[in-house]
Amino acid sequence: DGGITQSPKYLFRKEGQNVTLSCEQNLNHDAMYWYRQDPGQGLRLIYYSQIVNDFQKGDIAEGYSVSREKKESFPLTVTSAQKNPTAFYLCASSGSGSPLHFGNGTRLTVT
Amino acid sequence: AQSVAQPEDQVNVAEGNPLTVKCTYSVSGNPYLFWYVQYPNRGLQFLLKYITGDNLVKGSYGFEAEFNKSQTSFHLKKPSALVSDSALYFCAVRDLDTGRRALTFGSGTRLQVQP
Repeated sequence: DGGITQSPKYLFRKEGQNVTLSCEQNLNHDAMYWYRQDPGQGLRLIYYSQIVNDFQKGDIAEGYSVSREKKESFPLTVTSAQKNPTAFYLCASSGSGSPLHFGNGTRLTVT
Repeated sequence: AQSVAQPEDQVNVAEGNPLTVKCTYSVSGNPYLFWYVQYPNRGLQFLLKYITGDNLVKGSYGFEAEFNKSQTSFHLKKPSALVSDSALYFCAVRDLDTGRRALTFGSGTRLQVQP
């Protein structure tokens, strides 16, 4: 089945540690996205990539980094510079003319 | 800049009654509009989209949405609600006149359907 796989489903880290969230898609989509979801705030765009080896900052990129070395993969690193990293992180992808297709998310808790 | 407003945090409706979830948007160019649904601890599922054509768009699970250009609205509707429709609903927009394919989402509306 085609889809987006986010792993792990739950992630716990200590404050001050960097952590990388995985996102893999086998839909052959060109574009991939990372959103952050907090209660009552909807989804906010962190980074997006419309083609391999290129990516752009979204609305809340500070404290995050990404890479897009392969079409299938778009990992997100939450750095120690991110002030409030605890959140639900959603990865999505889209092809030309298609709606965004989402993974099932990673819930990150930093203590 | 593009934005979406969902003015209701929660909508309560009795099973079998019609439901409406409101959405208004702001873009400088032409809008490409979407509705998504989210169940607990899951990603978002696509329900329907509007890009051009008939102002009434039909989507999955009996949902439909009405595009109103003059009111910049894209309200989600269903003629007869089911308990299983209870979930979090998101409206989203993309400005077709920019090269950016990322969507801007509203804050979400929780739909509660009572038996």
